[in-house]
Amino acid sequence: AQSVTQLDSHVSVSEGTPVLLRCNYSSSYSPSLFWYVQHPNKGLQLLLKYTSAATLVKGINGFEAEFKKSETSFHLTKPSAHMSDAAEYFCVVSDPGTASKLTFGTGTRLQVTL
Amino acid sequence: EAGVAQSPRYKIIEKRQSVAFWCNPISGHATLYWYQQILGQGPKLLIQFQNNGVVDDSQLPKDRFSAERLKGVDSTLKIQPAKLEDSAVYLCASSLAVLRGAQLSYEQYFGPGTRLTVT
Repeated sequence: AQSVTQLDSHVSVSEGTPVLLRCNYSSSYSPSLFWYVQHPNKGLQLLLKYTSAATLVKGINGFEAEFKKSETSFHLTKPSAHMSDAAEYFCVVSDPGTASKLTFGTGTRLQVTL
Repeated sequence: EAGVAQSPRYKIIEKRQSVAFWCNPISGHATLYWYQQILGQGPKLLIQFQNNGVVDDSQLPKDRFSAERLKGVDSTLKIQPAKLEDSAVYLCASSLAVLRGAQLSYEQYFGPGTRLTVT
């Protein structure tokens, strides 16, 4: 069975400082991994995805994530946080064997302060 | 390109009442999903359709929840009767299978959701 663990339920950073949101996965296969963002009262938006190509994945709004098989991790980073980055972030795994079935983590709420 | 549409956006009902949610996926997307997102948790898949057929409904509480996608486009999700623990955001998503190299990729696009409060 596939699963993801988001290690922090809440992260607070100052505007202009780096962001690190941590995610570990468990999968029987070579998984596809995603990060989604959810702003209040808005739908989930795909930030980036890893599908067995380059291990460093660049996404929208300056976010990127690195797939590390040895550590079973897929942490999300951004060099400099902006106030508009404040939202809920979900790490998501999909096994090739289950095609499109997504398994979501519990989410990390990112707070950005002045 | 229009996104996934859902209605209503908010609904408040009393327990034991019934409620229905509607979803219109992105045009041409054959796969449609319904998720339940309880406050403080990640979305959980309830049911997945491929065109008008059910692919996966293993997590759907079939004693009270039902869903249909009769013409392979729009879909409705119904709860009857509702319980307090059904209070959640119900998300609809759609996807189109895209062949990337040797692998099929299903990128899911989500609607804004319907927030249900059961009192």
